[in-house]
Amino acid sequence: GAGVSQTPSNKVTEKGKYVELRCDPISGHTALYWYRQSLGQGPEFLIYFQGTGAADDSGLPNDRFFAVRPEGSVSTLKIQRTERGDSAVYLCASALGLADYNEQFFGPGTRLTVL
Amino acid sequence: SQKIEQNSEALNIQEGKTATLTCNYTNYSPAYLQWYRQDPGRGPVFLLLIRENEKEKRKERLKVTFDTTLKQSLFHITASQPADSATYLCALLEDYQLIWGAGTKLIIKP
Repeated sequence: GAGVSQTPSNKVTEKGKYVELRCDPISGHTALYWYRQSLGQGPEFLIYFQGTGAADDSGLPNDRFFAVRPEGSVSTLKIQRTERGDSAVYLCASALGLADYNEQFFGPGTRLTVL
Repeated sequence: SQKIEQNSEALNIQEGKTATLTCNYTNYSPAYLQWYRQDPGRGPVFLLLIRENEKEKRKERLKVTFDTTLKQSLFHITASQPADSATYLCALLEDYQLIWGAGTKLIIKP
């Protein structure tokens, strides 16, 4: 079956613009996670969803970042008034549930570059 | 909160030898610890999970150990191959969030 997909694979934008990053999780996975990864670093947690609701958004760096998952499947990460410091690879992962032993399946990421 | 330390220097190993990677954490022992592999331009791929009450876990040429006294996990690849070259990350759970190390780049030379 299909894995986690993310679009676009690359996004170049100008400082101050708005961007949306999309994640299609594995069918049937109720848990969905967003991470941000900078070069040479491990993924940094942003937010996770259990179903449609954001179970924990404590990793979002500020109120310019917002994520939705309206039907409990596809999720969109939205960044307003982008800044150069937002440049990173944004990873999405899904899992069967939030239990601590569930393996997370990652997408290939969206590389965001803010000029 | 937990901090995870992995050797930031790349590890160069001759093909056929055993590669050993280290993951140290700072605070309380987590219920479990996971190891992932990441290739350039791709997302991490899950390899192994080990629980705090397990001393060792094996999967084919991979072996993970978990020492709660030392607050350390070791990841071994036996009979290493050039195709094993990648960055290997460890992660542990804290408040439903996975906390990640920065990863160690492993290079297997033919």
